[in-house]
Amino acid sequence: GIQVEQSPPDLILQEGANSTLRCNFSDSVNNLQWFHQNPWGQLINLFYIPSGTKQNGRLSATTVATERYSLLYISSSQTTDSGVYFCAVSTRDTGGFKTIFGAGTRLFVKA
Amino acid sequence: DTEVTQTPKHLVMGMTNKKSLKCEQHMGHRAMYWYKQKAKKPPELMFVYSYEKLSINESVPSRFSPECPNSSLLNLHLHALQPEDSALYLCASSQEVQGYRDNQETQYFGPGTRLLVL
Repeated sequence: GIQVEQSPPDLILQEGANSTLRCNFSDSVNNLQWFHQNPWGQLINLFYIPSGTKQNGRLSATTVATERYSLLYISSSQTTDSGVYFCAVSTRDTGGFKTIFGAGTRLFVKA
Repeated sequence: DTEVTQTPKHLVMGMTNKKSLKCEQHMGHRAMYWYKQKAKKPPELMFVYSYEKLSINESVPSRFSPECPNSSLLNLHLHALQPEDSALYLCASSQEVQGYRDNQETQYFGPGTRLLVL
């Protein structure tokens, strides 16, 4: 099956710093989503981005589907950005489409 | 309204109990999902429902039994669980499993049910 790899696994930033999170996937996908999971477990969808570039405030994402990777940029990080960032891809499987999550990048932003 | 609700928030059950988890959305979404998430691990897909029909079962043991009574509601019936089934159970919904317009496959997650099996 498809492999989804995220890097780095852990990241510690000083408030105000910028960062880039990477997601590599081993096969073509139907879609790609980035999620943020806060310390209480709530998953929030950040981007639906099967290809191209999108921006939302301090966050932006780029997916290059032909090269099988996606990047999530966080600028001017804040303590509330702490949590786990997941990349999730959807692929066609017997019976339908299934979603596979990467292992995540655990981010801690220090005040 | 982009809210998915799940009840209960927490559940403790014995291995001989029968319990149910409930998930509800009122966004008119036609796809609903159950995921299981163990501590410090990513969510793992369990079931996908599309238009109230089960389309994906990720080889989940039969002690987990999903049910989709209508397009807004998704249940997960639990019976004879094992301690290793203790986890955060997440429900999600999207407009479509496979959409033809941008963002139709965007998944919205509920807050989850934290399950402890003793």
